[in-house]
Amino acid sequence: NAGVTQTPKFRVLKTGQSMTLLCAQDMNHEYMYWYRQDPGMGLRLIHYSVGEGTTAKGEVPDGYNVSRLKKQNFLLGLESAAPSQTSVYFCASTIPGLSNEQFFGPGTRLTVL
Amino acid sequence: RKEVEQDPGPFNVPEGATVAFNCTYSNSASQSFFWYRQDCRKEPKLLMSVYSSGNEDGRFTAQLNRASQYISLLIRDSKLSDSATYLCVVPSGGYNKLIFGAGTRLAVHP
Repeated sequence: NAGVTQTPKFRVLKTGQSMTLLCAQDMNHEYMYWYRQDPGMGLRLIHYSVGEGTTAKGEVPDGYNVSRLKKQNFLLGLESAAPSQTSVYFCASTIPGLSNEQFFGPGTRLTVL
Repeated sequence: RKEVEQDPGPFNVPEGATVAFNCTYSNSASQSFFWYRQDCRKEPKLLMSVYSSGNEDGRFTAQLNRASQYISLLIRDSKLSDSATYLCVVPSGGYNKLIFGAGTRLAVHP
């Protein structure tokens, strides 16, 4: 049982390049989330999904797109990377219910030059 | 005012010390609260949930003061392994969404 995995772990991009971050979970969770974490700031929600084929905007969605074609996968895309998108990106998942515990992947460290 | 505010620290304490962190939140309608732990360069993990006035789990005690809108985390008999950043977390709307504080860093030294 791998839990939540993220690919890649590290990436360096040049301004204007595009890339896709992959999040996969094997816990059959309905809800999935993408966050970014910057120094001195809390995790901020970029986009989230409440089920296969659904996506919704979070607090900081600009410059990102997402897709959830399969229940176990949640993809985060950067169409034209900017230095302001240099950050650590975390994916999380959970099941609907009373508990708000989210299970996080190990993160992707992205640097945009 | 930020939705969740924490003292960033760092708190530098010797082994065996008792240390307390506070967190204030702005949404008075929040019913549940959480403390997550994040080790350096790792993902956050749930440490404790607080649904009523408080919760205790071994050396860790979380307390809630709804009137003043703050949550505290008390760690007794600190261990070296307690060194980490502690994130105060509050639910935000539906779909199990969460708002994270920036975290309080704890460093326990021998």
